[in-house]
Amino acid sequence: RKEVEQDPGPFNVPEGATVAFNCTYSNSASQSFFWYRQDCRKEPKLLMSVYSSGNEDGRFTAQLNRASQYISLLIRDSKLSDSATYLCVVTHFGNEKLTFGTGTRLTIIP
Amino acid sequence: DTGVSQDPRHKITKRGQNVTFRCDPISEHNRLYWYRQTLGQGPEFLTYFQNEAQLEKSRLLSDRFSAERPKGSFSTLEIQRTEQGDSAMYLCASSLPLPGQELWSSYGYTFGSGTRLTVV
Repeated sequence: RKEVEQDPGPFNVPEGATVAFNCTYSNSASQSFFWYRQDCRKEPKLLMSVYSSGNEDGRFTAQLNRASQYISLLIRDSKLSDSATYLCVVTHFGNEKLTFGTGTRLTIIP
Repeated sequence: DTGVSQDPRHKITKRGQNVTFRCDPISEHNRLYWYRQTLGQGPEFLTYFQNEAQLEKSRLLSDRFSAERPKGSFSTLEIQRTEQGDSAMYLCASSLPLPGQELWSSYGYTFGSGTRLTVV
């Protein structure tokens, strides 16, 4: 079993719709949580950090549920430019590496 | 461009050949990481350096792989006797821990554009 699990999709969503992704992690010692975005054949880029209290950045909202060990990302009013792969990432205290999920592929349809 | 630079961008090699990739981190970043990403998967950690010291290596880093960062600046990743299973995107990242957060450095992580290796 992978440490970080995501539904690989693809999610094909009409422009303007709301879409949500979930991610589960197996290591209860996981310390920090992030969503990264990766465009086709490009490097991953940090989209947002995820906090227990939840956080919002424009149309994007991230939530962390430590008890159930899952992380979510909500995208409202989706744009064509949101088409990408969204990677769930966890780290552990005192450990430098990022542990990535397989990514969820999102395509916004005009 | 003050980002993380990787060279070459693409490399095609025959099975059994050796290849070497280079990564130039952001100049003030003292931590440097190598990841490998295969098609349909997320990046997987290979190794990381703090300055010139290699502090962690993944089990993925077989004895055919070696990474160096001799002067704590640029890094090289060498793959000896390449195999078709080595075909992947090799990503380099660098970071500088924020004051008060020296125990982890996920903040400030910046990835390079990667080197895409194809072994034929």
